[in-house]
Amino acid sequence: GENVEQHPSTLSVQEGDSAVIKCTYSDSASNYFPWYKQELGKRPQLIIDIRSNVGEKKDQRIAVTLNKTAKHFSLHITETQPEDSAVYFCAASGAAGNKLTFGGGTRVLVKP
Amino acid sequence: SQTIHQWPATLVQPVGSPLSLECTVEGTSNPNLYWYRQAAGRGLQLLFYSVGIGQISSEVPQNLSASRPQDRQFILSSKKLLLSDSGFYLCASPGSPYGYTFGSGTRLTVV
Repeated sequence: GENVEQHPSTLSVQEGDSAVIKCTYSDSASNYFPWYKQELGKRPQLIIDIRSNVGEKKDQRIAVTLNKTAKHFSLHITETQPEDSAVYFCAASGAAGNKLTFGGGTRVLVKP
Repeated sequence: SQTIHQWPATLVQPVGSPLSLECTVEGTSNPNLYWYRQAAGRGLQLLFYSVGIGQISSEVPQNLSASRPQDRQFILSSKKLLLSDSGFYLCASPGSPYGYTFGSGTRLTVV
């Protein structure tokens, strides 16, 4: 089955700096890669996703890149703000409605 | 739009007691449904998924079971809870157009 590795497990950045989280996946058939943000005690919320026919996608301060050849994808958050502090999860699946395999999560702390 | 309801929100149960967590979905029909567990400070582990009534696939051998008695109802159960069953239980379903929608979760503490 699919295996998703996520790094780093924790990330501390100064407000205004950029944050980058990287994930690798094992199943070359995976073609859908969402990212979730989970605030303390709450459910994960989808923040951005990318499909395998796209190399990069951007939404305001967040962007995701995908390298299918290397089987890795990354989340980039620019101009970080304190409200970006949360746990972020990457995930992969074979299609948009199929079961997702999640990475282990990255705890991001933005210091004011 | 799709909404997932989960209850209860929190639960404290003694070791050896039974468990029943319920998830219901509104705004869609015949959804794929998933139960995930999140241990404290950890990632999301897929426990069960269902593609239709009576159809359950188990991802991890464990002390838990799942059932889908109705199209929009997914139930997670245990006959005898273990300490290791503690965690945050999340029900999920594919949203529109992509990604999962998660329920608000049940935080279970086994004491």
